[in-house]
Amino acid sequence: GAVVSQHPSRVICKSGTSVKIECRSLDFQATTMFWYRQFPKKSLMLMATSNEGSKATYEQGVEKDKFLINHASLTLSTLTVTSAHPEDSSFYICSALLAGRTSTDTQYFGPGTRLTVL
Amino acid sequence: AQKVTQAQTEISVVEKEDVTLDCVYETRDTTYYLFWYKQPPSGELVFLIRRNSFDEQNEISGRYSWNFQKSTSSFNFTITASQVVDSAVYFCALSEVRGKLIFGQGTTLQVKP
Repeated sequence: GAVVSQHPSRVICKSGTSVKIECRSLDFQATTMFWYRQFPKKSLMLMATSNEGSKATYEQGVEKDKFLINHASLTLSTLTVTSAHPEDSSFYICSALLAGRTSTDTQYFGPGTRLTVL
Repeated sequence: AQKVTQAQTEISVVEKEDVTLDCVYETRDTTYYLFWYKQPPSGELVFLIRRNSFDEQNEISGRYSWNFQKSTSSFNFTITASQVVDSAVYFCALSEVRGKLIFGQGTTLQVKP
Protein backbone atom coordinates (compact mmCIF):
# COMPACT_ATOMS: atom_id res chain seq x y z
CA GLY A 1 0.00 0.00 0.00
CA ALA A 2 0.90 3.67 -0.20
CA VAL A 3 3.46 4.90 2.32
CA VAL A 4 3.80 8.29 3.94
CA SER A 5 6.85 9.20 5.97
CA GLN A 6 7.49 11.98 8.45
CA HIS A 7 10.77 13.38 9.58
CA PRO A 8 11.82 13.74 12.28
CA SER A 9 9.86 11.28 14.38
CA ARG A 10 10.80 13.12 17.55
CA VAL A 11 12.22 16.55 18.15
CA ILE A 12 13.08 18.47 21.28
CA CYS A 13 13.84 22.14 20.95
CA LYS A 14 14.30 25.22 23.04
CA SER A 15 11.60 27.83 23.37
CA GLY A 16 11.88 30.48 20.67
CA THR A 17 13.42 28.28 18.00
CA SER A 18 11.72 27.11 14.80
CA VAL A 19 11.17 23.50 13.91
CA LYS A 20 10.50 22.04 10.47
CA ILE A 21 8.61 18.78 10.01
CA GLU A 22 8.61 17.01 6.67
CA CYS A 23 5.86 14.84 5.25
CA ARG A 24 6.62 12.75 2.19
CA SER A 25 4.52 10.45 0.08
CA LEU A 26 7.01 7.78 -0.87
CA ASP A 27 5.39 5.92 -3.73
CA PHE A 28 2.65 8.17 -4.99
CA GLN A 29 2.00 11.79 -5.84
CA ALA A 30 -0.20 13.76 -3.52
CA THR A 31 -1.63 17.05 -4.65
CA THR A 32 -3.28 17.39 -1.26
CA MET A 33 -1.83 16.75 2.16
CA PHE A 34 -3.28 17.45 5.58
CA TRP A 35 -1.71 18.39 8.89
CA TYR A 36 -3.26 17.31 12.16
CA ARG A 37 -2.34 17.99 15.74
CA GLN A 38 -2.99 15.68 18.65
CA PHE A 39 -2.64 16.60 22.32
CA PRO A 40 -2.00 13.80 24.83
CA LYS A 41 -5.03 11.58 25.25
CA LYS A 42 -6.99 13.78 22.90
CA SER A 43 -8.38 13.57 19.42
CA LEU A 44 -6.77 14.67 16.17
CA MET A 45 -7.55 18.21 15.15
CA LEU A 46 -7.15 19.27 11.54
CA MET A 47 -4.82 22.23 11.33
CA ALA A 48 -4.61 22.88 7.62
CA THR A 49 -4.97 21.53 4.12
CA SER A 50 -1.85 21.74 2.02
CA ASN A 51 -2.24 21.94 -1.74
CA GLU A 52 0.69 21.56 -4.09
CA GLY A 53 1.64 24.84 -5.69
CA SER A 54 -0.80 26.97 -3.76
CA LYS A 55 -1.30 28.43 -0.31
CA ALA A 56 -2.45 26.21 2.48
CA THR A 57 -5.96 26.49 3.83
CA TYR A 58 -5.97 26.83 7.59
CA GLU A 59 -8.72 25.79 9.95
CA GLN A 60 -10.33 28.36 12.19
CA GLY A 61 -8.18 29.22 15.16
CA VAL A 62 -4.89 28.04 13.64
CA GLU A 63 -2.31 30.80 13.33
CA LYS A 64 -0.95 30.97 9.80
CA ASP A 65 2.18 32.82 10.82
CA LYS A 66 2.84 30.37 13.60
CA PHE A 67 2.43 27.21 11.56
CA LEU A 68 3.93 27.72 8.13
CA ILE A 69 3.04 25.12 5.54
CA ASN A 70 4.77 24.66 2.23
CA HIS A 71 3.81 22.09 -0.40
CA ALA A 72 6.49 22.65 -2.98
CA SER A 73 6.27 19.31 -4.77
CA LEU A 74 3.82 16.50 -5.32
CA THR A 75 5.56 14.35 -2.74
CA LEU A 76 6.58 16.77 -0.02
CA SER A 77 4.81 19.09 2.40
CA THR A 78 6.54 20.80 5.29
CA LEU A 79 5.18 22.26 8.49
CA THR A 80 7.34 24.81 10.26
CA VAL A 81 6.50 25.73 13.82
CA THR A 82 7.94 29.21 14.19
CA SER A 83 9.18 30.59 17.49
CA ALA A 84 8.03 27.47 19.27
CA HIS A 85 6.79 27.65 22.83
CA PRO A 86 5.98 24.89 25.34
CA GLU A 87 2.27 25.08 24.46
CA ASP A 88 3.20 24.00 20.91
CA SER A 89 4.38 20.67 22.27
CA SER A 90 2.21 18.06 20.64
CA PHE A 91 2.01 15.11 18.28
CA TYR A 92 1.83 16.31 14.69
CA ILE A 93 0.50 13.93 12.05
CA CYS A 94 0.35 14.45 8.32
CA SER A 95 -1.65 12.60 5.73
CA ALA A 96 -1.50 12.46 1.97
CA LEU A 97 -4.45 12.06 -0.32
CA LEU A 98 -4.14 9.47 -3.03
CA ALA A 99 -6.51 10.42 -5.81
CA GLY A 100 -8.53 7.36 -6.61
CA ARG A 101 -9.09 5.76 -9.95
CA THR A 102 -12.72 5.43 -8.89
CA SER A 103 -14.82 8.06 -7.21
CA THR A 104 -13.19 7.61 -3.85
CA ASP A 105 -9.95 8.98 -2.54
CA THR A 106 -7.81 7.36 0.06
CA GLN A 107 -5.95 9.22 2.76
CA TYR A 108 -2.70 7.77 4.06
CA PHE A 109 -1.25 8.87 7.37
CA GLY A 110 2.34 9.40 8.35
CA PRO A 111 3.71 7.95 11.59
CA GLY A 112 3.64 11.31 13.36
CA THR A 113 6.20 13.67 14.86
CA ARG A 114 6.37 14.27 18.58
CA LEU A 115 7.46 17.83 19.31
CA THR A 116 8.61 18.83 22.76
CA VAL A 117 9.44 22.46 23.39
CA LEU A 118 11.43 23.13 26.53
CA ALA B 1 -21.66 21.68 11.07
CA GLN B 2 -20.22 18.20 11.08
CA LYS B 3 -19.47 16.46 14.34
CA VAL B 4 -18.46 13.01 15.52
CA THR B 5 -19.22 11.81 19.03
CA GLN B 6 -17.68 8.80 20.70
CA ALA B 7 -19.36 8.79 24.08
CA GLN B 8 -17.23 5.99 25.52
CA THR B 9 -13.95 7.46 26.71
CA GLU B 10 -12.50 4.21 28.02
CA ILE B 11 -13.58 0.60 27.86
CA SER B 12 -11.96 -2.28 29.66
CA VAL B 13 -12.74 -5.90 28.83
CA VAL B 14 -11.25 -9.28 29.48
CA GLU B 15 -9.76 -11.19 26.59
CA LYS B 16 -12.27 -13.11 24.46
CA GLU B 17 -15.12 -10.81 25.36
CA ASP B 18 -16.98 -9.02 22.59
CA VAL B 19 -16.91 -5.24 22.70
CA THR B 20 -18.78 -2.55 20.78
CA LEU B 21 -17.47 0.96 20.27
CA ASP B 22 -20.13 3.54 19.58
CA CYS B 23 -19.96 6.37 17.08
CA VAL B 24 -22.62 8.97 16.35
CA TYR B 25 -22.17 11.62 13.70
CA GLU B 26 -23.81 14.82 12.53
CA THR B 27 -23.73 16.18 9.02
CA ARG B 28 -25.96 18.13 6.67
CA ASP B 29 -24.51 16.54 3.58
CA THR B 30 -26.14 13.63 1.83
CA THR B 31 -22.80 12.41 0.54
CA TYR B 32 -20.15 11.65 3.12
CA TYR B 33 -17.72 9.01 4.27
CA LEU B 34 -17.28 7.39 7.65
CA PHE B 35 -14.07 5.84 8.92
CA TRP B 36 -12.61 3.91 11.79
CA TYR B 37 -8.95 4.15 12.71
CA LYS B 38 -6.89 2.35 15.33
CA GLN B 39 -4.06 4.15 17.11
CA PRO B 40 -1.78 1.80 19.04
CA PRO B 41 0.69 3.16 21.62
CA SER B 42 3.22 3.80 18.85
CA GLY B 43 0.96 6.61 17.67
CA GLU B 44 0.64 5.63 14.04
CA LEU B 45 -2.92 5.60 12.75
CA VAL B 46 -4.08 2.33 11.25
CA PHE B 47 -6.93 2.50 8.77
CA LEU B 48 -9.69 -0.02 9.49
CA ILE B 49 -12.65 0.82 7.28
CA ARG B 50 -14.30 3.44 5.09
CA ARG B 51 -18.00 3.57 4.41
CA ASN B 52 -19.83 5.90 2.06
CA SER B 53 -23.22 7.31 2.94
CA PHE B 54 -25.01 5.35 0.24
CA ASP B 55 -23.86 1.96 1.42
CA GLU B 56 -25.64 0.85 4.57
CA GLN B 57 -24.60 -2.74 4.34
CA ASN B 58 -22.95 -4.00 7.44
CA GLU B 59 -19.44 -5.26 7.00
CA ILE B 60 -17.47 -8.02 8.61
CA SER B 61 -13.72 -8.47 8.42
CA GLY B 62 -12.45 -11.29 10.56
CA ARG B 63 -13.18 -10.41 14.17
CA TYR B 64 -14.22 -6.89 13.23
CA SER B 65 -17.69 -5.83 12.18
CA TRP B 66 -19.35 -2.51 11.55
CA ASN B 67 -23.00 -1.51 11.84
CA PHE B 68 -23.95 1.58 9.84
CA GLN B 69 -27.43 2.98 10.49
CA LYS B 70 -28.31 6.25 8.79
CA SER B 71 -31.62 6.44 10.64
CA THR B 72 -29.75 6.92 13.91
CA SER B 73 -26.60 8.49 12.41
CA SER B 74 -24.50 5.79 13.95
CA PHE B 75 -21.53 3.78 12.78
CA ASN B 76 -20.68 1.31 15.52
CA PHE B 77 -17.69 -1.00 15.60
CA THR B 78 -17.69 -4.44 17.22
CA ILE B 79 -14.68 -6.57 18.01
CA THR B 80 -15.56 -10.20 18.58
CA ALA B 81 -13.45 -12.36 20.87
CA SER B 82 -11.17 -9.47 21.78
CA GLN B 83 -7.44 -9.99 22.16
CA VAL B 84 -4.78 -8.11 24.08
CA VAL B 85 -3.38 -6.82 20.78
CA ASP B 86 -6.64 -4.99 20.22
CA SER B 87 -5.74 -2.61 23.04
CA ALA B 88 -5.48 0.83 21.48
CA VAL B 89 -7.33 4.09 20.97
CA TYR B 90 -10.00 3.84 18.32
CA PHE B 91 -11.20 6.85 16.38
CA CYS B 92 -14.32 7.26 14.34
CA ALA B 93 -14.12 9.97 11.67
CA LEU B 94 -16.34 11.73 9.15
CA SER B 95 -15.38 13.21 5.80
CA GLU B 96 -17.50 15.54 3.74
CA VAL B 97 -15.12 17.69 1.75
CA ARG B 98 -12.66 15.58 -0.15
CA GLY B 99 -10.25 14.09 2.34
CA LYS B 100 -10.87 16.50 5.23
CA LEU B 101 -11.49 14.33 8.29
CA ILE B 102 -13.35 15.24 11.43
CA PHE B 103 -12.39 12.87 14.24
CA GLY B 104 -14.33 11.81 17.27
CA GLN B 105 -12.78 12.06 20.69
CA GLY B 106 -11.56 8.50 20.58
CA THR B 107 -12.26 5.45 22.74
CA THR B 108 -9.43 3.84 24.64
CA LEU B 109 -9.89 0.09 24.65
CA GLN B 110 -8.01 -1.98 27.15
CA VAL B 111 -8.15 -5.73 26.75
CA LYS B 112 -6.87 -7.58 29.78
CA PRO B 113 -5.49 -11.10 29.59
